[in-house]
Amino acid sequence: AQTVTQSQPEMSVQEAETVTLSCTYDTSENNYYLFWYKQPPSRQMILVIRQEAYKQQNATENRFSVNFQKAAKSFSLKISDSQLGDTAMYFCAFISNFGNEKLTFGTGTRLTIIP
Amino acid sequence: DSGVTQTPKHLITATGQRVTLRCSPRSGDLSVYWYQQSLDQGLQFLIQYYNGEERAKGNILERFSAQQFPDLHSELNLSSLELGDSALYFCASSVGGARNTEAFFGQGTRLTVV
Repeated sequence: AQTVTQSQPEMSVQEAETVTLSCTYDTSENNYYLFWYKQPPSRQMILVIRQEAYKQQNATENRFSVNFQKAAKSFSLKISDSQLGDTAMYFCAFISNFGNEKLTFGTGTRLTIIP
Repeated sequence: DSGVTQTPKHLITATGQRVTLRCSPRSGDLSVYWYQQSLDQGLQFLIQYYNGEERAKGNILERFSAQQFPDLHSELNLSSLELGDSALYFCASSVGGARNTEAFFGQGTRLTVV
């Protein structure tokens, strides 16, 4: 069974700074998909970024980028030029390329952007 | 707004009761997923439907059941409710599978069992 671990329950950073959220996962598979989801106080889950394991290039979406280290099973999220609207819970998630298409989530990191 | 609509937004009920949570997926999405978010268990996958058929089942209790109707909306039925069933229940939808197409989440139904 796959597991996803987020070791930072809470983080805070000053507005406009850069912050990196950590995620590690455990799987015996070679092909899979990784995601970062954001859950703001409105509680809706919003996809931030997606990475396919067979792609070596790290995914980037505007101020959000990932550092995908397949051998180390590490998938960190970097938020550049952080904004107040980035305050939220962030969840790392995994989908196997085989079997059912369930998202396996980590326990989340609560990120606070300080004005 | 993700386009996924969940009703009701909040629900308070007593132990032993039965409730039905409703989800309307985005227009054109064939897959519907149900997730439970609780403080002790985190986000857990419950069940997936694709075009009316059950496709995958996760950690769903026998007291819980779901279905997807011909118009693609889905309902999650929770019966013989216990205090531990208090949680946020999310519905998500995607055009196809969640690997290759983005899964969009609704705002959830907050269930409180008293």
